[in-house]
Amino acid sequence: AQKVTQAQTEISVVEKEDVTLDCVYETRDTTYYLFWYKQPPSGELVFLIRRNSFDEQNEISGRYSWNFQKSTSSFNFTITASQVVDSAVYFCALSPDSWGKLQFGAGTQVVVTP
Amino acid sequence: DTGVSQNPRHKITKRGQNVTFRCDPISEHNRLYWYRQTLGQGPEFLTYFQNEAQLEKSRLLSDRFSAERPKGSFSTLEIQRTEQGDSAMYLCASSLTSGASSYEQYFGPGTRLTVT
Repeated sequence: AQKVTQAQTEISVVEKEDVTLDCVYETRDTTYYLFWYKQPPSGELVFLIRRNSFDEQNEISGRYSWNFQKSTSSFNFTITASQVVDSAVYFCALSPDSWGKLQFGAGTQVVVTP
Repeated sequence: DTGVSQNPRHKITKRGQNVTFRCDPISEHNRLYWYRQTLGQGPEFLTYFQNEAQLEKSRLLSDRFSAERPKGSFSTLEIQRTEQGDSAMYLCASSLTSGASSYEQYFGPGTRLTVT
């Protein structure tokens, strides 16, 4: 069975601080895909990134970066120099194939105050 | 280019009533997914379609739930004899299965169901 654990329920930071969101996953599949989605207060989930299990390169996109470590089954997400607009719930998700159903974690609420 | 739309956005119903939700995916997206999200939790997968074929149903989807995608375009999710435990946000998403961003599921705004 697959499982995604986001142990941090809520993280509060002051603007410009960095924030790291943890994601630990469990799967028996050798090929799998990991995702991060953002759910702002408006409610619609927004795709941020996909990573497949064979690609352990870290990725940076603007202020966002992701650290994938297969050895510890983790796929952590860092927001650098946080801004108020980053306030949202962030979900880590796992899928056995690239366009299959997503198994989401419980999410981490990020609150960025000015 | 319109996104995924869902109607209604909110539905309040009494226990025991039937409700039906509609999802219009992004045009030409052949995959359509239904998820359910309760407060403080991540979305839970319910079912998905490729074109008009329903390929998988979660064990969460009891016999009271049925989903259709008759022409491979819009989809409906019906809940019969609603129970208070059905109160949740029902999310629809769509995606392609080929192309550069085929893995990206585009989510709609959801339908919030309240069963009283």
